[in-house]
Amino acid sequence: NAGVTQTPKFRILKIGQSMTLQCTQDMNHNYMYWYRQDPGMGLKLIYYSVGAGITDKGEVPNGYNVSRSTTEDFPLRLELAAPSQTSVYFCASTQGAGAGNQPQHFGDGTRLSIL
Amino acid sequence: GENVEQHPSTLSVQEGDSAVIKCTYSDSASNYFPWYKQELGKRPQLIIDIRSNVGEKKDQRIAVTLNKTAKHFSLHITETQPEDSAVYFCAASWDDYKLSFGAGTTVTVRA
Repeated sequence: NAGVTQTPKFRILKIGQSMTLQCTQDMNHNYMYWYRQDPGMGLKLIYYSVGAGITDKGEVPNGYNVSRSTTEDFPLRLELAAPSQTSVYFCASTQGAGAGNQPQHFGDGTRLSIL
Repeated sequence: GENVEQHPSTLSVQEGDSAVIKCTYSDSASNYFPWYKQELGKRPQLIIDIRSNVGEKKDQRIAVTLNKTAKHFSLHITETQPEDSAVYFCAASWDDYKLSFGAGTTVTVRA
């Protein structure tokens, strides 16, 4: 049971490039989340999903897109990378769907630098 | 969404002493309050959580208290050890399974 797996761990992008951050979980969790963590700050919610085919915006969605075609996978896409998107990105999941609030389980993060 | 404020931002304690971190939240509908510990370069990991129908919860050297009337909750670490040095985040639930996080407290335990 690997939990939440994120790839890549590190990436450097040039301004204007695009990329997809991958996230997969093997716990059959319904709810999945993408956060960004800027230095010395807490986690800010970018997007979340309550199940396959359903996604919604969080607090800071601008410049990002997501999809949820399966229960396991929740990729995050940056279309036109900007320096303001330099951050550490965490994916998380929780059971959701009638289970009441349960702990969110986090991946190891993707450290992204945009130059 | 929910607004969570966390204090202090840094905390230095002598090994063996206690550490207390306080958080306030704005949404009276919040009903779930987890605490996460994050070591440098690592993922946040849950250390304890509390639900709105409970006023206090304890797990070995860690305890959390919740005051719903005042909308604040606190983390207490007793008999601190060097391995307790990390960044601690509080969070409060909002709007069906979402969490808002505090800005974090960097705890340093001095040997």
